[in-house]
Amino acid sequence: GNSVTQMEGPVTLSEEAFLTINCTYTATGYPSLFWYVQYPGEGLQLLLKATKADDKGSNKGFEATYRKETTSFHLEKGSVQVSDSAVYFCALSYTDKLIFGTGTRLQVFP
Amino acid sequence: NAGVTQTPKFQVLKTGQSMTLQCAQDMNHEYMSWYRQDPGMGLRLIHYSVGAGITDQGEVPNGYNVSRSTTEDFPLRLLSAAPSQTSVYFCASRDLYGANVLTFGAGSRLTVL
Repeated sequence: GNSVTQMEGPVTLSEEAFLTINCTYTATGYPSLFWYVQYPGEGLQLLLKATKADDKGSNKGFEATYRKETTSFHLEKGSVQVSDSAVYFCALSYTDKLIFGTGTRLQVFP
Repeated sequence: NAGVTQTPKFQVLKTGQSMTLQCAQDMNHEYMSWYRQDPGMGLRLIHYSVGAGITDQGEVPNGYNVSRSTTEDFPLRLLSAAPSQTSVYFCASRDLYGANVLTFGAGSRLTVL
């Protein structure tokens, strides 16, 4: 079936460190891929997306590239800030549904 | 812009009680859905709707009912609450056609004792 696997958290970093959060997927066909972010006490909001292989989604300094050959969509940021502390969800679209990973908590300390 | 509005934000129920979680959106989105969020489980789809009068089951529909009488509203009903339904519930909506980008409400935290 279709599924998304994310690395376990929490990920703990110092400010200005490099961030990678791994995401791999299993899907039939060619899904679109997403990263959503959830700040404390809020709902999820779209961070970035990619709709086809080799597309790179980017927003707020975050990037992820749709890699069909490795079925991956890893999230990266070159220099994290304390304000990036949140839970990050990888997701894929399957017909009219979104399938989410379990989420990865990021904690950034000054 | 209000976006997706959920009420209540917090609710405590006793086992066997019933309640309705309200969801309203003002973006004229055809698609609306309910998810529950549990630790280590991510978000799981409960029910969804692609338009007024049309609803369908998601991954975990048991114990929940929905209806869609208007485009704007999509209430989630718990007819007889169980402790296993303790969770944070999110309503989300989107245009029916396009890139499947959901707009989420702020969530409703439900505790069943």
